[in-house]
Amino acid sequence: DVKVTQSSRYLVKRTGEKVFLECVQDMDHENMFWYRQDPGLGLRLIYFSYDVKMKEKGDIPEGYSVSREKKERFSLILESASTNQTSMYLCASRLAGPQETQYFGPGTRLLVL
Amino acid sequence: AQSVTQPDIHITVSEGASLELRCNYSYGATPYLFWYVQSPGQGLQLLLKYFSGDTLVQGIKGFEAEFKRSQSSFNLRKPSVHWSDAAEYFCAVGAGAGGTSYGKLTFGQGTILTVHP
Repeated sequence: DVKVTQSSRYLVKRTGEKVFLECVQDMDHENMFWYRQDPGLGLRLIYFSYDVKMKEKGDIPEGYSVSREKKERFSLILESASTNQTSMYLCASRLAGPQETQYFGPGTRLLVL
Repeated sequence: AQSVTQPDIHITVSEGASLELRCNYSYGATPYLFWYVQSPGQGLQLLLKYFSGDTLVQGIKGFEAEFKRSQSSFNLRKPSVHWSDAAEYFCAVGAGAGGTSYGKLTFGQGTILTVHP
């Protein structure tokens, strides 16, 4: 079975802190994604990576950066956390290819105070 | 740009009743379409997907969906709902054949399903 894990299920941070969210997949997937999920807005893509050290902005990249130094790990970084970044963050991965499926981690619920 | 609309924010059905969740998409060519389910506090699980071919697709947990190109719809159905189906359901669209989007998906707003005993 595909397994996508996220480093924390719940996280509480202070405004202005630098926050790291980690995502690890164990299926040698090339593509990885970070989404945020907010009630009534569904999932919105923050960043994705199509291979190691490669990244592209999604629909809402402002205030975020990412790092992919190894194939299995994709990190989301909040450079200076703000209260409007309080949200559920979901990581996903997939094999490269036109008909591959995205597999999701359990999510990290982040509260910024 | 692609987009997805799920017109129903919240649906309530009785256990054993039939279910249909609506999904309308906007995409310039033949899309790839997905339905995911999210149980409380969990990540998303794939229910079914459509890439090409038969427009009626079967998924897990007894769900099915029908792709209707003329209506730009991909509605999810289940003939008899179980209490364990209570969850949030997301429809998503991705670039179809020939697309170079690296599998990016655009999600709808989600539909919360409540099941009454």
